[in-house]
Amino acid sequence: NAGVTQTPKFQVLKTGQSMTLQCAQDMNHEYMSWYRQDPGMGLRLIHYSVGAGITDQGEVPNGYNVSRSTTEDFPLRLLSAAPSQTSVYFCASSYSNGDGYTFGSGTRLTVV
Amino acid sequence: RKEVEQDPGPFNVPEGATVAFNCTYSNSASQSFFWYRQDCRKEPKLLMSVYSSGNEDGRFTAQLNRASQYISLLIRDSKLSDSATYLCVVPGTASKLTFGTGTRLQVTL
Repeated sequence: NAGVTQTPKFQVLKTGQSMTLQCAQDMNHEYMSWYRQDPGMGLRLIHYSVGAGITDQGEVPNGYNVSRSTTEDFPLRLLSAAPSQTSVYFCASSYSNGDGYTFGSGTRLTVV
Repeated sequence: RKEVEQDPGPFNVPEGATVAFNCTYSNSASQSFFWYRQDCRKEPKLLMSVYSSGNEDGRFTAQLNRASQYISLLIRDSKLSDSATYLCVVPGTASKLTFGTGTRLQVTL
């Protein structure tokens, strides 16, 4: 039981490049979310999903896309990286509404 | 008023001390709450849930005050290993979480 697995752990991108942050969970959780964490701002919700085939926008969705083709996987795509997207990204999953989330170990992204 | 507000600290306390953090929230409809712990450069980890009746887990006690819209976390007999940032979390619809910016605790010898 690996929990929530995020890859890569570190990434440096050039402005304008695209990439996908991977997130997978093996706990059969329906709810999955992506957050970004910036100094002094706490964690902010980017996109979330309440089950396979269902996604919705969070607080800061611009510049990011997600899909949820399976219960296990919830990749986050950066369409055209910008320096403002330099951040630490966390994927999290939960069994149901009202339960606490389990977080992945994060991806540290730098856009130059 | 921010959705979730916390005193950023840092709270510097000696080992063995009792320390308490408060967190205020704006959505009066919120039913459940969480405290998470985050170590430096690590992911947040669920510390405890906060119920209407409060919740106690060893040295940690969480309380909810609905009338004043705040939750609290009390840590007794602080250990060096308790040094971390404590995040107050308020779930919304569809299990969306709103995080406070965190309160940093530093326990010293």
